[in-house]
Amino acid sequence: QKEVEQDPGPLSVPEGAIVSLNCTYSNSAFQYFMWYRQYSRKGPELLMYTYSSGNKEDGRFTAQVDKSSKYISLFIRDSQPSDSATYLCAMSGVRYGGSQGNLIFGKGTKLSVKP
Amino acid sequence: KAGVTQTPRYLIKTRGQQVTLSCSPISGHRSVSWYQQTPGQGLQFLFEYFSETQRNKGNFPGRFSGRQFSNSRSEMNVSTLELGDSALYLCASSLAGADYNSPLHFGNGTRLTVT
Repeated sequence: QKEVEQDPGPLSVPEGAIVSLNCTYSNSAFQYFMWYRQYSRKGPELLMYTYSSGNKEDGRFTAQVDKSSKYISLFIRDSQPSDSATYLCAMSGVRYGGSQGNLIFGKGTKLSVKP
Repeated sequence: KAGVTQTPRYLIKTRGQQVTLSCSPISGHRSVSWYQQTPGQGLQFLFEYFSETQRNKGNFPGRFSGRQFSNSRSEMNVSTLELGDSALYLCASSLAGADYNSPLHFGNGTRLTVT
């Protein structure tokens, strides 16, 4: 079983739709959870960064973490064609400093928002 | 503030050669991490440097090495290139210190093709 599972899609939605992206994980030591967006020929761009369980909202984006179910989600409201990209979940289990640079990534979900 | 800068953007090498990739982190960031991204394996952690010291290493052969300079800039080297080393190599930086966690910010990568 992979440490982080993410449906690769592709996912195609009409403009204005609510998009739900998800990852499951197996390692209960993970504490920090991130969502990155990656456009073609670009590096991953940090969208959301959360610690432990709960919700975090930033504009049209909401990240949810359910540690009891080992499940994280990213919701995109009022999706736009410019949201078309690959979305990567990532997580780490370092509590204090140490090797914070070692993230475990999902394989990414390719999203296409049609006008 | 300038982002993470990686040079060169594209590189074509022949099997058996060696290559050096360069990364300039965001100003003030002291930690630099390197990742390899391929369609089959996704993003995989190579190594992380903090204050010129390697503090974690992923599961890659010894042909992959890196270093960090006193100004936090980093280089990674791959010796005796193999066809399977063809990938997007991503550098990421963070504020990461000894007592707190901070998210990674990625550059746009170096696309290495080995023929």
